[in-house]
Amino acid sequence: EVQLVESGGGLVQPGGSLRLSCAASGFTFSSYWMHWVRQAPGKGLVWVSRINSDGSSTSYADSVKGRFTISRDNAKNTLYLQMNSLRAEDTAVYYCTKCRPQPDGGMDVWGQGTTVTVSS
Amino acid sequence: SYELTQPPSVSVSPGQTARITCSGDALPKQYAYWYQQKPGQAPVLVIYKDSERPSGIPERFSGSSSGTTVTLTISGVQAEDEADYYCQSADSSGTYEVFGGGTKLTVL
Repeated sequence: EVQLVESGGGLVQPGGSLRLSCAASGFTFSSYWMHWVRQAPGKGLVWVSRINSDGSSTSYADSVKGRFTISRDNAKNTLYLQMNSLRAEDTAVYYCTKCRPQPDGGMDVWGQGTTVTVSS
Repeated sequence: SYELTQPPSVSVSPGQTARITCSGDALPKQYAYWYQQKPGQAPVLVIYKDSERPSGIPERFSGSSSGTTVTLTISGVQAEDEADYYCQSADSSGTYEVFGGGTKLTVL
């Protein structure tokens, strides 16, 4: 079964850091681009970041650029999101997603999400 | 920054056809994708590459593209189709991904 399981969310103070992890199983992780997508309470989906299959290319939304870093360990089938200088507006459920093979695109597998709360 | 525009809400009666639009300047150059999200659940991809349907998605879901607008069409709407629907695409350079604001589909 194709599965993504996020972890690492929690309560953090403004200015703090968290590292999210996403464990992948049931598919050849190293062959697919991956994304992080977030959703604030009661709000819509917001794309956060993308990484290509070998980790050599990344992209970020303007709202997180310079504060968040996406990375992957293909040997461990794991995706990461290092989040620094966290702000209240980063409070959201963070989803890890798998991309369909390029050039098709589209996020065809989603994790259950991990909740990040930034508050003092 | 690049934006995709969706109507906030669409309402239809069971058995009717629902159409949800998504507008963006780069849509003639970039594929669009559609996701369905029900309360408390993760989103599900229902359309990719403007009009392709993933396996397991009912045939009543279809997508189309015309210029700067893409449309998700749900034919013969069922009560279980009530959900939030989001379009997604990329900016003209393909560097950034973006989601539309979402459309709440209500089945009357």
